[in-house]
Amino acid sequence: NSKVIQTPRYLVKGQGQKAKMRCIPEKGHPVVFWYQQNKNNEFKFLINFQNQEVLQQIDMTEKRFSAECPSNSPCSLEIQSSEAGDSALYLCASSPQGSNERLFFGHGTKLSVL
Amino acid sequence: QQKVQQSPESLIVPEGAMTSLNCTFSDSASQYFAWYRQHSGKAPKALMSIFSNGEKEEGRFTIHLNKASLHFSLHIRDSQPSDSALYLCAVLTSGGNYKPTFGKGTSLVVHP
Repeated sequence: NSKVIQTPRYLVKGQGQKAKMRCIPEKGHPVVFWYQQNKNNEFKFLINFQNQEVLQQIDMTEKRFSAECPSNSPCSLEIQSSEAGDSALYLCASSPQGSNERLFFGHGTKLSVL
Repeated sequence: QQKVQQSPESLIVPEGAMTSLNCTFSDSASQYFAWYRQHSGKAPKALMSIFSNGEKEEGRFTIHLNKASLHFSLHIRDSQPSDSALYLCAVLTSGGNYKPTFGKGTSLVVHP
């Protein structure tokens, strides 16, 4: 069973609504990633953090998403105004210090934008 | 920008067969190569990884890397129905640009 906990498992929103999902990384993992997996199984990198600091993010994330990884609270990813094309599986992954290559994934949040 | 491609897109094999999955990448500076497996409705899970040219075997799984050919592969010996899943390859490029790039996956079905 995955030790990276993502909530909710399913999220249904109307176009223009905010959509927020959360992730609790595996204990002791300071690096957190968000990926979007579409219906064709394509993985799109969205953003990553080391502790509370953003390491990298793509333009889409910077313009349309709000993301944070506060200390002692779940990480979160929020779409400010959902679009039909945002319908996808949002996967959170964490990675341990000194072993940054291997990612440990959560089950994902499946977002449907109607 | 790193491009990672997998082949075939899908594969059906009988139980007990040898299965071979392929992954090509575009950036010759890539330094880390991994395979993940994602069962339907489940989290992707790392299977194996390799850093240098050659082969690495773990149980029924073997990973082979040829950096000069920009190619690595996963071989599954004695394939089992429980191996049916989506197989994703991932490549990491050096230089501080740490965000693994994933392929689109190969959907494997092993029938009894």
